[in-house]
Amino acid sequence: AQSVTQPDIHITVSEGASLELRCNYSYGATPYLFWYVQSPGQGLQLLLKYFSGDTLVQGIKGFEAEFKRSQSSFNLRKPSVHWSDAAEYFCAVDTGGFKTIFGAGTRLFVKA
Amino acid sequence: DVKVTQSSRYLVKRTGEKVFLECVQDMDHENMFWYRQDPGLGLRLIYFSYDVKMKEKGDIPEGYSVSREKKERFSLILESASTNQTSMYLCASSPSGKGIHTGELFFGEGSRLTVL
Repeated sequence: AQSVTQPDIHITVSEGASLELRCNYSYGATPYLFWYVQSPGQGLQLLLKYFSGDTLVQGIKGFEAEFKRSQSSFNLRKPSVHWSDAAEYFCAVDTGGFKTIFGAGTRLFVKA
Repeated sequence: DVKVTQSSRYLVKRTGEKVFLECVQDMDHENMFWYRQDPGLGLRLIYFSYDVKMKEKGDIPEGYSVSREKKERFSLILESASTNQTSMYLCASSPSGKGIHTGELFFGEGSRLTVL
């Protein structure tokens, strides 16, 4: 069955430090891949997406993600974290048929 | 700006009550979705609709029903609320055409339901 794993329930990073959030998926072919962010009390907002082509994709707010087919991974990165990046981040996979599968989320804490 | 509006941000209901959660989008999207969000479980799809009056079950449809009488409006109904339906409910829409969905979702701010 298709699944999405975000191994880290929460991560704490110092402001200005780099960030990497991990995501692994299980699916036979290459799915559509997404990262969403949810600020407290808000809905989810799309950060970036990968459909095909260049495996390094750029998103909003300075985020990027790299698709690695051999590792079935789609990790999210940011070179320098800002306090406003504190939120919950969800990796998601769409395998077609309207059913997007979400990971359990990684909550990011940013310390001054 | 793209907008998905959920009518109630917070609701408190009693066991056995009928609950309506309303969602409206102003983007002329064909597809609309209801998700349930619980800590540690991510988002789980309850129902979706790819056209007016069309609906399909998601992964956890038990205890829920939906209605889509107009393109812009998608309602989630709990016929008889139970305590295990206490959760955050998120409505979403997507811009793809009929029968096509590329997964990019636009979300409302959520409705937090507490069932006592």
